[in-house]
Amino acid sequence: TQLLEQSPQFLSIQEGENLTVYCNSSSVFSSLQWYRQEPGEGPVLLVTVVTGGEVKKLKRLTFQFGDARKDSSLHITAAQPGDTGLYLCAGAHNNNDMRFGAGTRLTVKP
Amino acid sequence: DAGVIQSPRHEVTEMGQEVTLRCKPISGHDYLFWYRQTMMRGLELLIYFNNNVPIDDSGMPEDRFSAKMPNASFSTLKIQPSEPRDSAVYFCASSGPWTGTHGYTFGSGTRLTVV
Repeated sequence: TQLLEQSPQFLSIQEGENLTVYCNSSSVFSSLQWYRQEPGEGPVLLVTVVTGGEVKKLKRLTFQFGDARKDSSLHITAAQPGDTGLYLCAGAHNNNDMRFGAGTRLTVKP
Repeated sequence: DAGVIQSPRHEVTEMGQEVTLRCKPISGHDYLFWYRQTMMRGLELLIYFNNNVPIDDSGMPEDRFSAKMPNASFSTLKIQPSEPRDSAVYFCASSGPWTGTHGYTFGSGTRLTVV
């Protein structure tokens, strides 16, 4: 059983569409991070959210941390083929031990 | 900085053989993590070190797995004897003291195939 549940598991969309992926848990986290992983490479950190209700934007990506710090969402506007990859969320109970969700595998078709 | 460096990138070995995976963390990072990634189980934390000392090895699957960090710039993960179910991508990651806010830097991984 995953501590962090990510949905959907797979998502395939056309270039230009919007999408939202979710990361949910029954646990409270001190912080939550989103990573993107491309084939043959390790995950790369996109953002860290710390405060309940926090919203962060990174160009076309919008990240939100739930008020209770148990869940998070990632919204991508006008998706591009370069957004294709595995999106992972990771939660920290203390400052150093991160646990990862299984990820959402996104494919953006030209 | 060259980032976290792992070697080899690919390893194919026969069941029963010893396998050693290597990792060089980012200079100045005092935390080092070993993860295993499979399609079925995702990213699993195996063990992590702080200042070269193992802090939590509860994720190590069994006694066939061992990890060492003899100094701040080098760590190994050893599997002896290897089994087909150990086939996975093994990642090393390092971080400074504020992992919860600054995150991990991952290496490119070692793809292990045990036949």
